[in-house]
Amino acid sequence: IAGITQAPTSQILAAGRRMTLRCTQDMRHNAMYWYRQDLGLGLRLIHYSNTAGTTGKGEVPDGYSVSRANTDDFPLTLASAVPSQTSVYFCASSLGQSTSDEQFFGPGTRLTVL
Amino acid sequence: GQNIDQPTEMTATEGAIVQINCTYQTSGFNGLFWYQQHAGEAPTFLSYNVLDGLEEKGRFSSFLSRSKGYSYLLLKELQMKDSASYLCAHMDSNYQLIWGAGTKLIIKP
Repeated sequence: IAGITQAPTSQILAAGRRMTLRCTQDMRHNAMYWYRQDLGLGLRLIHYSNTAGTTGKGEVPDGYSVSRANTDDFPLTLASAVPSQTSVYFCASSLGQSTSDEQFFGPGTRLTVL
Repeated sequence: GQNIDQPTEMTATEGAIVQINCTYQTSGFNGLFWYQQHAGEAPTFLSYNVLDGLEEKGRFSSFLSRSKGYSYLLLKELQMKDSASYLCAHMDSNYQLIWGAGTKLIIKP
């Protein structure tokens, strides 16, 4: 692994189903983030984690949950998917929470909820 | 509240210069970022400004005026590969990034 990876690349999901989007980084970054990107809107933060064992809510957390059991992995779970959760989901990481720390993004997961 | 605005779309000619503006309103400020995002790909970091003034990095420069809540990204000697969306984001008092919707830049030969 080099950098940050996400799986799956894309997924079509029936409404009401449970889904976990995976994110793994090998840069030993402390902070990790989940965003969704919708046409005409900026990236919106769903959840974040400043360090392993801690998580926090972003701008649009409802319907999503995360865990951070270790430094490398930060899965995002949709407990019961709804069509409004159709979006492109990006995972990102940064060295820390310092103001100048750039965020590195994974390739994204394109999720369609029918 | 927090708000960040940038033009939806701009068109420029190969070899020319283009300036993409970004204005923001925030109760707390910890820096201004610019990212590039090619269609279907992930955003990649371009620049970071926390103090007023111009930061130059090759063909790209970024400017910040904190008192005016204003930044711009300047791209010189435009190349076809510069066709992409350019995302402006400011870091708020909670150290979270607040993103603009992005400016789609179209480069014509």
